Amino acid sequence: NAGVMQNPRHLVRRRGQEARLRCSPMKGHSHVYWYRQLPEEGLKFMVYLQKENIIDESGMPKERFSAEFPKEGPSILRIQQVVRGDSAAYFCASSPPGNSEQYFGPGTRLTVT
Amino acid sequence: AQSVTQLDSQVPVFEEAPVELRCNYSSSVSVYLFWYVQYPNQGLQLLLKYLSGSTLVKGINGFEAEFNKSQTSFHLRKPSVHISDTAEYFCAVSGLSGYSTLTFGKGTMLLVSP
Repeated sequence: NAGVMQNPRHLVRRRGQEARLRCSPMKGHSHVYWYRQLPEEGLKFMVYLQKENIIDESGMPKERFSAEFPKEGPSILRIQQVVRGDSAAYFCASSPPGNSEQYFGPGTRLTVT
Repeated sequence: AQSVTQLDSQVPVFEEAPVELRCNYSSSVSVYLFWYVQYPNQGLQLLLKYLSGSTLVKGINGFEAEFNKSQTSFHLRKPSVHISDTAEYFCAVSGLSGYSTLTFGKGTMLLVSP
């Protein structure tokens, strides 16, 4: 059983470009969480999704950020018009229904130049 | 709302010495408690978790933690560390009901030297 997969592992974007981060949960997991880790900080919750539904996006910045988890395919975290402050590691985690434990992917390290 | 405080940003220790990484939390409701480890440029790996039952929890790699409800603490301990334990350690909490987003502390960097 493959773990949570994220790609790309490293992403470099210039200011104003779009960043797309992908997350494939573990097999059988229908819950996906996105977290952001800024330098010298712990992880901060961004959004929680189930298939085709956003359940909680209370941690998402109000502008430029969006997330989806379609019926087929990976979950996508999309950042439009990136700025230098978006540079961070973005982690995805998944869990099966009714389970408190989250399994983390290796993360995508976004660098905005 | 929940919050987690990890009092030490960095803990240097010599190999084979014991170590304790401190974690305190604040919550108006009962919580589950977790410790994760992050090796350089990698994702988070679960070390151990407290859901219910015995307050002393044993995890992987020889780590253990004790839940103290009255002191709202969940300190992580290991009796003898190895060089390979050098990593960042995160304490986290989640609520009991419904879905369980994690609230993390800022992390403690454990630096083990020979």
